[in-house]
Amino acid sequence: DAKTTQPNSMESNEEEPVHLPCNHSTISGTDYIHWYRQLPSQGPEYVIHGLTSNVNNRMASLAIAEDRKSSTLILHRATLRDAAVYYCIRSRGGQNFVFGPGTRLSVLP
Amino acid sequence: NAGVTQTPKFQVLKTGQSMTLQCAQDMNHEYMSWYRQDPGMGLRLIHYSVGAGITDQGEVPNGYNVSRSTTEDFPLRLLSAAPSQTSVYFCASSYSGLVYNEQFFGPGTRLTVL
Repeated sequence: DAKTTQPNSMESNEEEPVHLPCNHSTISGTDYIHWYRQLPSQGPEYVIHGLTSNVNNRMASLAIAEDRKSSTLILHRATLRDAAVYYCIRSRGGQNFVFGPGTRLSVLP
Repeated sequence: NAGVTQTPKFQVLKTGQSMTLQCAQDMNHEYMSWYRQDPGMGLRLIHYSVGAGITDQGEVPNGYNVSRSTTEDFPLRLLSAAPSQTSVYFCASSYSGLVYNEQFFGPGTRLTVL
């Protein structure tokens, strides 16, 4: 039970912004929202995480809905290197860290 | 820092054989974990450890053993390999619990059981 819902796949054009949605309607008050991505033939890598407020880092931005039942990962300017599977995870730690099937992002040149 | 290292990169076993997948990290992380990833699926947690001498089961622990005698190492043992254990195995570590700290993943071990 991944406890989040994401589209199976999305496409974007290079150098355009990408908005990856995630639904987590049963989130509890202490669950953080984490995003990881997995490039082909590699282990997952951390992208960003947040609790209530929107978050920014050098890789991406995370916009969290006011009711926390959904969030959006924003890649401001997609590059070919951003083609990966993106996982949205809600967790308060330990064995609750569950990866679902994620969203496969294709970036078109 | 080498980060999280895993050996071997590839392994082929026959049904019933046993083996140990090695995982090491040089970041002094307390938390380490093992996942498996089957084709087209997300990762599933096998076992995890919150520090040396402490381990616990994840979502799919059957057929696997772990121990944590040092902070750096977290080996995963397959007791009697079965074709259903054909998968890619990832080891991960983080500074403490998962809630506040990012996990660092190794490159994976691709295991085939015939």
